[in-house]
Amino acid sequence: TAGITQAPTSQILAAGRSMTLRCTQDMRHNAMYWYRQDLGLGLRLIHYSNTAGTTGKGEVPDGYSVSRANTDDFPLTLASAVPSQTSVYFCASSAGGAGANVLTFGAGSRLTVL
Amino acid sequence: DQQVKQNSPSLSVQEGRISILNCDYTNSMFDYFLWYKKYPAEGPTFLISISSIKDKNEDGRFTVFLNKSAKHLSLHIVPSQPGDSAVYFCAASVLDSNYQLIWGAGTKLIIKP
Repeated sequence: TAGITQAPTSQILAAGRSMTLRCTQDMRHNAMYWYRQDLGLGLRLIHYSNTAGTTGKGEVPDGYSVSRANTDDFPLTLASAVPSQTSVYFCASSAGGAGANVLTFGAGSRLTVL
Repeated sequence: DQQVKQNSPSLSVQEGRISILNCDYTNSMFDYFLWYKKYPAEGPTFLISISSIKDKNEDGRFTVFLNKSAKHLSLHIVPSQPGDSAVYFCAASVLDSNYQLIWGAGTKLIIKP
């Protein structure tokens, strides 16, 4: 089935450890995004990439980094995890900019930082 | 300060009746609005959208109404079905922002049989 694959599905991580959440899409979409979803806050944009080779900061980028070496992959790295990064993380993609384009989401990665 | 607000965390509706989900926004620059639906353990999926040049958009059982003067939009589902039980997110954007969608906190809709 075409779409977005995220891994891992869930992870428990000790504070201070590093972690990379993987995201792969097979739709050849130009733009990709990482959101976090927290209860009562909706989805908040962490980082985005409008096209391979470029990235940008979203609303809550601190403590996270991304790379976009090719069209399909958009990993999200936590260099030194903290408990406030406990959340559900969603990767998404769109053919063009998010403003008027439909986003396709992955199933999410639930991260717990202890 | 949330620019997009969904003030009802949950809503319970009888099967067959109309479900009305509400969304308020504060930024008058928003010119495009979307509704996404999310089931547990899945990512959100696009449901319906509306441009600020319209006040209504309809797609089957789903209709979105936009009241720009009140900075308010609503999603109507009629008739409501058990499969509509999900969390519904309202999102807004400025079309020239290229990447930024601002999301509401979501409303959990429960359809009672």
